[in-house]
Amino acid sequence: GESVGLHLPTLSVQEGDNSIINCAYSNSASDYFIWYKQESGKGPQFIIDIRSNMDKRQGQRVTVLLNKTVKHLSLQIAATQPGDSAVYFCAENVGGNKLVFGAGTILRVKS
Amino acid sequence: NAGVMQNPRHLVRRRGQEARLRCSPMKGHSHVYWYRQLPEEGLKFMVYLQKENIIDESGMPKERFSAEFPKEGPSILRIQQVVRGDSAAYFCASSPGPQETQYFGPGTRLLVL
Repeated sequence: GESVGLHLPTLSVQEGDNSIINCAYSNSASDYFIWYKQESGKGPQFIIDIRSNMDKRQGQRVTVLLNKTVKHLSLQIAATQPGDSAVYFCAENVGGNKLVFGAGTILRVKS
Repeated sequence: NAGVMQNPRHLVRRRGQEARLRCSPMKGHSHVYWYRQLPEEGLKFMVYLQKENIIDESGMPKERFSAEFPKEGPSILRIQQVVRGDSAAYFCASSPGPQETQYFGPGTRLLVL
């Protein structure tokens, strides 16, 4: 069935360190993946996306890696800042319309 | 350039009442999606609409829930005869087309007493 899951529910990192958030997906037919950041009381905020014809994509301080062989997605945040503290969701675009979200990983940045 | 707008931001209803949640997509976006989020969970897809059409409602409960996106005006998610289990955050997203980035609104937090 369709499901997207995360390995680690909570990640604590020291300010300035790099963060890596992982995600496993199960629908091998999915061809579009997105990472969202959600702060308390707010809606999900788009961070970065990647299509299945790529294995890496970089943005400002963030990199998404896609490994289709093992159906694994990761989000790397460089030089993590206190403002990065939030819940991070990976999402899988299924059938051109709906997104299937994982349960989320809490990122806590310690100053 | 305004983002996705949702109102109200908070809504309190008593059991048996109706809840109406509104969503105005980003300018130039004609595709709207509704998701529901329970506390400490990920978002769950409910329905996907284009102007005047429901494209995919596979995530909508069969009873009491309906959605529309009229030619003019916002998209509406309607919940009739609310029950306590309907308490959740309801998020709307929009995109310029399918398979394109969905941008989310701030959500409506529904509390059923």
